[in-house]
Amino acid sequence: SYELTQPLSVSVALGQTARITCGGNNIGTKNVHWYQQKPGQAPVLVIYRDSNRPSGIPERFSGSNSGNTATLTISRAQAGDEADYYCQVWDSSTVVFGGGTRLTVL
Amino acid sequence: QLQLHESGPGLVKPSETLSLTCTVSGGSISSDNYYWDWIRQPPGKGLEWIGTIYYSGTTYYNPSLQSRVTISVDTSKNQFSLKLRSVTASDTAVYYCARHGGRMSTSGVDYWGQGTLVTVSS
Repeated sequence: SYELTQPLSVSVALGQTARITCGGNNIGTKNVHWYQQKPGQAPVLVIYRDSNRPSGIPERFSGSNSGNTATLTISRAQAGDEADYYCQVWDSSTVVFGGGTRLTVL
Repeated sequence: QLQLHESGPGLVKPSETLSLTCTVSGGSISSDNYYWDWIRQPPGKGLEWIGTIYYSGTTYYNPSLQSRVTISVDTSKNQFSLKLRSVTASDTAVYYCARHGGRMSTSGVDYWGQGTLVTVSS
């Protein structure tokens, strides 16, 4: 079965740029989606199809995908960006989630 | 605005069947190209996909749960449902119903229910 690997945690200074990676075999050939989840809330889609932002998601959120790594980039990080982030792909007729990354804004 | 709402027992005994229903409002479950998901999250852990159904009845299941799971749809009620048989404590989780915003291969999950905690305990 396909596996997605994310770092358990990432820290970023307030106002700086955070990068969260999602590793998978030839993930660059797949569509990657990213979700933000704050405590006690349902996840929210922040990036779909590698690099597209749903309406209402700030331009500070961007994504890229190539080779074996997809990356979610959060520019000018704010305290409100502190959350868990999950990547997700569709592989062999199954939905696969990464294990999630806790983003801490210092 | 599309809304999804999970309903069902919050407590299920070990070895019994967990049953949840998701009611969709603000849109039709029979709309072309949208797929409907069940996703769960054990306390303090990550997201786990359970399965997906299309309004026609086509289903996709997580291979690790497939032998115990049935997802069905009732278009007349604008609802879809989850049954998970022979539950154990490891099935304790927040269960979300959700919608894929298009084809499964290209779309993310764009609408989520609020989630409902189901505890498996005697």
